[in-house]
Amino acid sequence: EDQVTQSPEALRLQEGESSSLNCSYTVSGLRGLFWYRQDPGKGPEFLFTLYSAGEEKEKERLKATLTKKESFLHITAPKPEDSATYLCAVHPSNSGYALNFGKGTSLLVTP
Amino acid sequence: DTAVSQTPKYLVTQMGNDKSIKCEQNLGHDTMYWYKQDSKKFLKIMFSYNNKELIINETVPNRFSPKSPDKAHLNLHINSLELGDSAVYFCASNSGGDNEQFFGPGTRLTVL
Repeated sequence: EDQVTQSPEALRLQEGESSSLNCSYTVSGLRGLFWYRQDPGKGPEFLFTLYSAGEEKEKERLKATLTKKESFLHITAPKPEDSATYLCAVHPSNSGYALNFGKGTSLLVTP
Repeated sequence: DTAVSQTPKYLVTQMGNDKSIKCEQNLGHDTMYWYKQDSKKFLKIMFSYNNKELIINETVPNRFSPKSPDKAHLNLHINSLELGDSAVYFCASNSGGDNEQFFGPGTRLTVL
């Protein structure tokens, strides 16, 4: 059965304190791994797609990496506006294009 | 310009009622989706649909039915609402395949 597990469930950082969020997955043929950001009361906002092990993508203070079993979202020198829930999702080869989401990591960055 | 929009944003109703949630996308996408986010914030796929194929998550009760009047719209009809249907429902769309999905703002459904 396809599974996506994110850790930690919640993370509190001081402004400027870098850290990483983890997403481990088991799927029957990965066609893509996605990172989304979700603010309270809003829909998920797309951040990155990774397709193959070794791939990396960056956007401002965020960097996403992918191995055959997990992905990391590295946050460098975070700011309070980075506070949100970060969702990882996989696109298995047999899903009919739907995404399987993890339960998310709730990130709070304090000044 | 709003890419994926949903109405209403909030919906409060009694058990047993029938309700609909509307979704429209102006991105020209071929594929649309409905997801349910429960009280623990877990997002689960309910349906994916393009003009050729409807794929239903087998765990979704048949009281839920998607209706697509045209390529830009995918509405969600729910019959005989139950307490457990209370959740936030998100519509999404993409240009198919492995491309990123764009999500609407969500509809918070509360069944009393």
